[in-house]
Amino acid sequence: AQSVSQHNHHVILSEAASLELGCNYSYGGTVNLFWYVQYPGQHLQLLLKYFSGDPLVKGIKGFEAEFIKSKFSFNLRKPSVQWSDTAEYFCAVMRGYQKVTFGTGTKLQVIP
Amino acid sequence: GAGVSQSPSNKVTEKGKDVELRCDPISGHTALYWYRQSLGQGLEFLIYFQGNSAPDKSGLPSDRFSAERTGGSVSTLTIQRTQQEDSAVYLCASSLRGGSYEQYFGPGTRLTVT
Repeated sequence: AQSVSQHNHHVILSEAASLELGCNYSYGGTVNLFWYVQYPGQHLQLLLKYFSGDPLVKGIKGFEAEFIKSKFSFNLRKPSVQWSDTAEYFCAVMRGYQKVTFGTGTKLQVIP
Repeated sequence: GAGVSQSPSNKVTEKGKDVELRCDPISGHTALYWYRQSLGQGLEFLIYFQGNSAPDKSGLPSDRFSAERTGGSVSTLTIQRTQQEDSAVYLCASSLRGGSYEQYFGPGTRLTVT
């Protein structure tokens, strides 16, 4: 069965620290990859997505992610986090234009 | 424009009762998704609609769960004979089409089964 693993469940960083959140998936075929974010009290919203082309994808608010097909990974990065990045981050994998599998999420807490 | 809306925002029900959760997608979006988010769990895919048809119902956890979509718009998720393990936040999302198109999420319905 397809699975999505987010290895870090809770990350605490100081402002200006660099961020990397891991995401690995198990499906070997063609996939579309997403990172979603849920700020406290808000809806889930899309940070960035990959479906073809340049494996380095840039999203909103300075986030980027790199698709490494050989490692089945789609890690999220940001060079310098801000307090406002405190949120829960979800990696998601879509295949077949239908079923979407989400990871269990990573809670990021940024300390001012 | 209006986003995805869901109703009710909160629902408390007694074990064994039936509940209906409603999702109004963004106008013009042909794809609609239902997810469940339980405490400490990720988002669990339940069902996907393209138009009024559901090509993939494999995520529905049991035959107590059903969903329909009418007129290519509003969708209803029904849970019959609710159990305590059904307690969760039920999220709906819509997208212009399926595939790589962005999903827009609603605020969710928090269901508590007592």
